[in-house]
Amino acid sequence: DADVTQTPRNRITKTGKRIMLECSQTKGHDRMYWYRQDPGLGLRLIYYSFDVKDINKGEISDGYSVSRQAQAKFSLSLESAIPNQTALYFCATSGLDREEAFFGQGTRLTVV
Amino acid sequence: DQQVKQNSPSLSVQEGRISILNCDYTNSMFDYFLWYKKYPAEGPTFLISISSIKDKNEDGRFTVFLNKSAKHLSLHIVPSQPGDSAVYFCAASDSGGGADGLTFGKGTHLIIQP
Repeated sequence: DADVTQTPRNRITKTGKRIMLECSQTKGHDRMYWYRQDPGLGLRLIYYSFDVKDINKGEISDGYSVSRQAQAKFSLSLESAIPNQTALYFCATSGLDREEAFFGQGTRLTVV
Repeated sequence: DQQVKQNSPSLSVQEGRISILNCDYTNSMFDYFLWYKKYPAEGPTFLISISSIKDKNEDGRFTVFLNKSAKHLSLHIVPSQPGDSAVYFCAASDSGGGADGLTFGKGTHLIIQP
C-alpha cells in the first residue's frame, strides 16, 4: 500500500462545480502539502499544513481551499472549478525539519 | 521570475554512458537542494539531496555536485540504465526544514537509449 494515497486518481468535472480531492498518509508525518503541476512547469505549492490547527497559503492558493481533518488527512477543494484549474495535483508529506517530501501518485483533474 | 532553472527540457543518453542533468538557481538564500525523479502516472520520488555546506554528495550511481559561487548544481548518473528514463526535477529550499520552502524547476526529461 502507498504511504500517501490520493483519491480520485482521475476526475472530469464541469465549470462551476465544486470538487474535493482527498489525501491520506500512513507515514505519521505532521506536515502535508498540496502541489499543482502543469505541462512544462514545475510543481507549485497551493497550500500546506504543519499540523491539524495550522494551515498556510502557498504560491497559488487563489480558487482553492483546504481542510486538515486529522493528522493523516488533508483535502483540497475547488469551490467553483474553472478550466485553467485543469492540471495534475499532488499531495505530499514530510517529517519535522526534513525537506524531503513524499508524494502521492497524483490526481489528474480536467475541468470542461 | 524563475528561481530554479532547468534549461534542458529533455536529454538523450546512451545506456551505459554518463547522464548529466543541470540546474541553476538565483536565490542566494537557498541552503538545501534536492533532486526528484518522476515516472509517468506516478508522483515524484526523492532521489538525492545536498546541503549548501557540501559540494558533493554520492549515493550509488547518483552524485550531486554543488557550485555555490556559480549557483549551479548538477546530477550525474553513472552508468545510465533504461530504468533511469524519467523526468528529473531539481528543487531548492531556504526554509531550514519542511517542504513549504521547496521551489521546483520545470524538469528535464531524461531518455536512455539502448
